[in-house]
Amino acid sequence: KAGVTQTPRYLIKTRGQQVTLSCSPISGHRSVSWYQQTPGQGLQFLFEYFSETQRNKGNFPGRFSGRQFSNSRSEMNVSTLELGDSALYLCASYLQQETQYFGPGTRLLVL
Amino acid sequence: ELKVEQNPLFLSMQEGKNYTIYCNYSTTSDRLYWYRQDPGKSLESLFVLLSNGAVKQEGRLMASLDTKARLSTLHITAAVHDLSATYFCAVGPASGYALNFGKGTSLLVTP
Repeated sequence: KAGVTQTPRYLIKTRGQQVTLSCSPISGHRSVSWYQQTPGQGLQFLFEYFSETQRNKGNFPGRFSGRQFSNSRSEMNVSTLELGDSALYLCASYLQQETQYFGPGTRLLVL
Repeated sequence: ELKVEQNPLFLSMQEGKNYTIYCNYSTTSDRLYWYRQDPGKSLESLFVLLSNGAVKQEGRLMASLDTKARLSTLHITAAVHDLSATYFCAVGPASGYALNFGKGTSLLVTP
């Protein structure tokens, strides 16, 4: 069974630009969550989606948005990038209370 | 707000020794996850603990959960160099699946 895939794996952007990250969950998983990992703040929850509905949102500004498609694939978008948005963005897919499986992540560098 | 505290944050131990990593959390939950992260990599699931008194073991690692004490432990037996990594505990909220992560324990096993 294929794992969680994330694209792109690496990204370099400049301040003020926007970026879209993609996540394809494990086949059969309808739940997807996104997390941001930075050295200073650690792992922080961004969004949670189930069957195209956002069920939960973390404490991030409105520049961070996301969505989920009917095939359970998810995207997150960050507009007006700031230097502090440089991070590893991780996507996890899961079946309700079971293990959340993480993808390889997208490493974003904002210059 | 659910807070998750891990200790120690840094641990250097000799091969062959035993040690325990502690994970305390602030509010009621019966879902506790342990993950491993190698440098530059994503999160690898180790254990999911879903009830009070749950104990799981895999190789030299054993995890337990005491929901009354709001405490989980990850015990390392006879450490080997391959266990060197950062270990995170994460707690699931009472409702939803947004994980709250601890800051991680950076483990270094030396000869």
